[in-house]
Amino acid sequence: EAGVVQSPRYKIIEKKQPVAFWCNPISGHNTLYWYRQNLGQGPELLIRYENEEAVDDSQLPKDRFSAERLKGVDSTLKIQPAELGDSAVYLCASSSWWAGDAYEQYFGPGTRLTVT
Amino acid sequence: KQEVTQIPAALSVPEGENLVLNCSFTDSAIYNLQWFRQDPGKGLTSLLLIQSSQREQTSGRLNASLDKSSGRSTLYIAASQPGDSATYLCAVRPDSGGYQKVTFGTGTKLQVIP
Repeated sequence: EAGVVQSPRYKIIEKKQPVAFWCNPISGHNTLYWYRQNLGQGPELLIRYENEEAVDDSQLPKDRFSAERLKGVDSTLKIQPAELGDSAVYLCASSSWWAGDAYEQYFGPGTRLTVT
Repeated sequence: KQEVTQIPAALSVPEGENLVLNCSFTDSAIYNLQWFRQDPGKGLTSLLLIQSSQREQTSGRLNASLDKSSGRSTLYIAASQPGDSATYLCAVRPDSGGYQKVTFGTGTKLQVIP
């Protein structure tokens, strides 16, 4: 079974430029999460989708960040314009509710963003 | 607001030693707790998930315990190996009847010395 796929793995951009990250969750997982992880910290939730509906985006800086999951499968996270403080690792995770699965989260490899 | 603490932040042990990693949380109303490992430059790999009704889970050399009343979980690693070197994070999912924002600790960076 394929895991969570993310691309690109690394991205270096200048401040004020746009950037987009893509995530394909594990097949059949209806819940998709985007996290941001700063160096030496645990991941912090940016947005959570249940199918195509964003059910928790309270931590998403909506003035510059946007996300979509149009068909309830893969998702895109965009930053426009990027700021120096956006440098971090952006992680995508997915989970599903099946008997005994209990919302166990599976993570992708992440995208390391460097804003110069 | 749930707060999750992991102490120590870093740990260095000789190969073969048994060790315990700690995870503390402030709100005992949890649905489950999940332990992950993260290798440098990589994503998180799920190790063990403990439901609120369970007291422990085991996988190979790993054993995770949960004491909700005291707000603590421990991850026990037996006979440590250099390949166990990584950062270990715990994550707590609240028991809130629908809203399920997971809170992560900041991790314990483990180094196993050959």
